[in-house]
Amino acid sequence: AQTVTQSQPEMSVQEAETVTLSCTYDTSESNYYLFWYKQPPSRQMILVIRQEAYKQQNATENRFSVNFQKAAKSFSLKISDSQLGDTAMYFCAFMKSMDSSYKLIFGSGTRLLVRP
Amino acid sequence: DAGVIQSPRHEVTEMGQEVTLRCKPISGHNSLFWYRQTMMRGLELLIYFNNNVPIDDSGMPEDRFSAKMPNASFSTLKIQPSEPRDSAVYFCASSLTGFFSPNTEAFFGQGTRLTVV
Repeated sequence: AQTVTQSQPEMSVQEAETVTLSCTYDTSESNYYLFWYKQPPSRQMILVIRQEAYKQQNATENRFSVNFQKAAKSFSLKISDSQLGDTAMYFCAFMKSMDSSYKLIFGSGTRLLVRP
Repeated sequence: DAGVIQSPRHEVTEMGQEVTLRCKPISGHNSLFWYRQTMMRGLELLIYFNNNVPIDDSGMPEDRFSAKMPNASFSTLKIQPSEPRDSAVYFCASSLTGFFSPNTEAFFGQGTRLTVV
């Protein structure tokens, strides 16, 4: 069974600094998707960044970037120039195909606090 | 498109009562997921559908839980009878998945906060 592990329940960073959130996953598949979702206090789930496993290049979205290490099954999120609005729960997620359908599972989340 | 629409946003019910949560996925999406979120257990995948067919319901906690997707634009999650430990936020998400969907992602509804007293 696929699993997603986020080993950091909580993290804190000073505004304007850089923080890295960790995620590891377990799968025997070679083709899959990885995501980071943000959940602010409003509880809305918002996609931050996406990575296709067949792409070697790390995905980047403005201040957000990932370090995708396929062999190590690691998918960390780096937030540069942290802003107060980045305070939220961050979930790492894994999607793989099962036959013709896709199953999406989440890690336990990391609560990030950006301090002014 | 208005996004994934869930109703109701909040539900308070008494133990033993039947509860039905509703979800309207984004038009054209072929996969639908139901999740339960609690502080203790995080985001649990309860069941997911592909082309209206339930693919994996191994996350459904008990027989008291059931889910249906009668057509591509509507799904329900029913709890009967409800218990206090069912109190949680229930999310529905939809996605366009498949080999030709390189930009696939899951879009979430606002969630339904269920409180069983």
